[in-house]
Amino acid sequence: GENVEQHPSTLSVQEGDSAVIKCTYSDSASNYFPWYKQELGKRPQLIIDIRSNVGEKKDQRIAVTLNKTAKHFSLHITETQPEDSAVYFCAARHAGGTSYGKLTFGQGTILTVHP
Amino acid sequence: DTEVTQTPKHLVMGMTNKKSLKCEQHMGHRAMYWYKQKAKKPPELMFVYSYEKLSINESVPSRFSPECPNSSLLNLHLHALQPEDSALYLCASSQDVRGPTSNQPQHFGDGTRLSIL
Repeated sequence: GENVEQHPSTLSVQEGDSAVIKCTYSDSASNYFPWYKQELGKRPQLIIDIRSNVGEKKDQRIAVTLNKTAKHFSLHITETQPEDSAVYFCAARHAGGTSYGKLTFGQGTILTVHP
Repeated sequence: DTEVTQTPKHLVMGMTNKKSLKCEQHMGHRAMYWYKQKAKKPPELMFVYSYEKLSINESVPSRFSPECPNSSLLNLHLHALQPEDSALYLCASSQDVRGPTSNQPQHFGDGTRLSIL
């Protein structure tokens, strides 16, 4: 089955700095890669996603890059703000077999942005 | 505002009780999901329904029984739970599991925080 590794597990930055979170996946058939932000006690919220036919996607301060050959994708947050502090999860979507459509999540990154 | 509504928000039950969690979406999505999430861990898939049919059961114990009465509703019936079942239970929906609209986001509800005494 799919395995998603996420690093780092914790990330601490100063306000205004950039933050980068990296994920690798094992199943080359995976074709959709969302990123979720989860604040304490709240639901996971989609912040950006990328499909396997695209190498990069940007939405204001957030960008995601995908390297299909190396099977890794990364989240980039620029000009970080204290309200960016949360747990971030990457995920990969299965595109074959009996788990078709299943999202496998990384273990999460606790991002802390210090004012 | 969340587009996936879950009730109740909190539930405390004994190990012999029977209760149900409910989830509703009105986005016209044909895929619905149940996840279990422990503190500081990622959501862990339990069940997937596609067009009201169970398509994935991640070897979940039979004390959890899902039901999809129609395309907008998803229930999770609970019976004889164990203390280790205490967790946040999240419902999600997406456009579809397969086909040209399958690579669309899953939208999560706010969850039901379940405590087993």
